[in-house]
Amino acid sequence: DQQVKQNSPSLSVQEGRISILNCDYTNSMFDYFLWYKKYPAEGPTFLISISSIKDKNEDGRFTVFLNKSAKHLSLHIVPSQPGDSAVYFCAASASTGFQKLVFGTGTRLLVSP
Amino acid sequence: SQTIHQWPATLVQPVGSPLSLECTVEGTSNPNLYWYRQAAGRGLQLLFYSVGIGQISSEVPQNLSASRPQDRQFILSSKKLLLSDSGFYLCAWSTGVGGNTIYFGEGSWLTVV
Repeated sequence: DQQVKQNSPSLSVQEGRISILNCDYTNSMFDYFLWYKKYPAEGPTFLISISSIKDKNEDGRFTVFLNKSAKHLSLHIVPSQPGDSAVYFCAASASTGFQKLVFGTGTRLLVSP
Repeated sequence: SQTIHQWPATLVQPVGSPLSLECTVEGTSNPNLYWYRQAAGRGLQLLFYSVGIGQISSEVPQNLSASRPQDRQFILSSKKLLLSDSGFYLCAWSTGVGGNTIYFGEGSWLTVV
């Protein structure tokens, strides 16, 4: 059972435009959400997170939006840069019990010059 | 600052041979430690986690085991590797406080032949 889903395996965007990566979850106990960026043959790097008490969190070019009623979150990258080309993983955890992160399958973003 | 290292970075092992991947964390005490695996074309799957020395929880039945002989050391092992054990293995840590952001090591590529 895939509790965190990233339905788009890939996304292509031109440099300077907005990249929007989407993520859906099914477990209503999830209350903390994160995005990670991963380059080939490297470990994922933490990008940005959001708690369920918020619906938006911004850090520079990266903004994460959370829609709890739809169980949906998205990552916006504005403006997109070629160096943003990587695989992006969405992850979620529940604050009850041990806080394990559940990851989506990832979306490969390609930003072309 | 905290750092995490895992080794070896790559290895090619024959079917039936043993495995030992090691991971150490510096700059923090009593971290939560994790082993994840990324199989080809798939997301990040949690294999084991540990909240303290000698305390190991397994997430999925498999051919692997984990041990935590010291506070900041986490080892992934197998007595006899299977072809299906091939993948990218990631060690990670978290403080276990608050939102549980986890931080990953560089990863280890395992190819079982």
